[in-house]
Amino acid sequence: GQSLEQPSEVTAVEGAIVQINCTYQTSGFYGLSWYQQHDGGAPTFLSYNGLDGLEETGRFSSFLSRSDSYGYLLLQELQMKDSASYFCAVSRAAGNKLTFGGGTRVLVKP
Amino acid sequence: ETGVTQSPTHLIKTRGQQVTLRCSSQSGHNTVSWYQQALGQGPQFIFQYYREEENGRGNFPPRFSGLQFPNYSSELNVNALELDDSALYLCASSLGGTGGGSQVTQYFGPGTRLLVL
Repeated sequence: GQSLEQPSEVTAVEGAIVQINCTYQTSGFYGLSWYQQHDGGAPTFLSYNGLDGLEETGRFSSFLSRSDSYGYLLLQELQMKDSASYFCAVSRAAGNKLTFGGGTRVLVKP
Repeated sequence: ETGVTQSPTHLIKTRGQQVTLRCSSQSGHNTVSWYQQALGQGPQFIFQYYREEENGRGNFPPRFSGLQFPNYSSELNVNALELDDSALYLCASSLGGTGGGSQVTQYFGPGTRLLVL
């Protein structure tokens, strides 16, 4: 089976940095993705790591360590619009069959 | 480029009824995946269709079934509805296949919110 663990909630102020950790157990691993979902909205893709290391996309960065079955999403220069739920998801093949974590609700305060 | 669309947006059914949800994939995508998202939880993989064939299934009973059409749009059918089927149903499209043509990104539609009474 597969399981992913991530914190349920994080609160931070505007301009701060937040790191959301994700640990996973899976039989077969292809890559780790991160999705953002605002209340009432659809999940939207943020980042993907197929290899160990850091991927940077603007204010968001994602990291993967395959040997540790661990990754994180780093949100920098937090803005109010970043208040949302963030999900890590593992895939066992390219582009399909994502297994999602329970999500981390990020609340950004002024 | 047209994004992923789903219909209807909301639906209310009673226990024992059947429901059909529809999804139009993003232009150029040949793979559709369906997910169920209960309130406050992450999406759970139901199944995936690639070029009109089922290509993997999650831990859902057979009363959850699907179809993919030649234009790559898709349907999710749920028979004998139960109260626990109340959830947001999401479809996601991607470009599947082997080798370098596959995408790792899935593009989600806005979802259909189903309430079973």
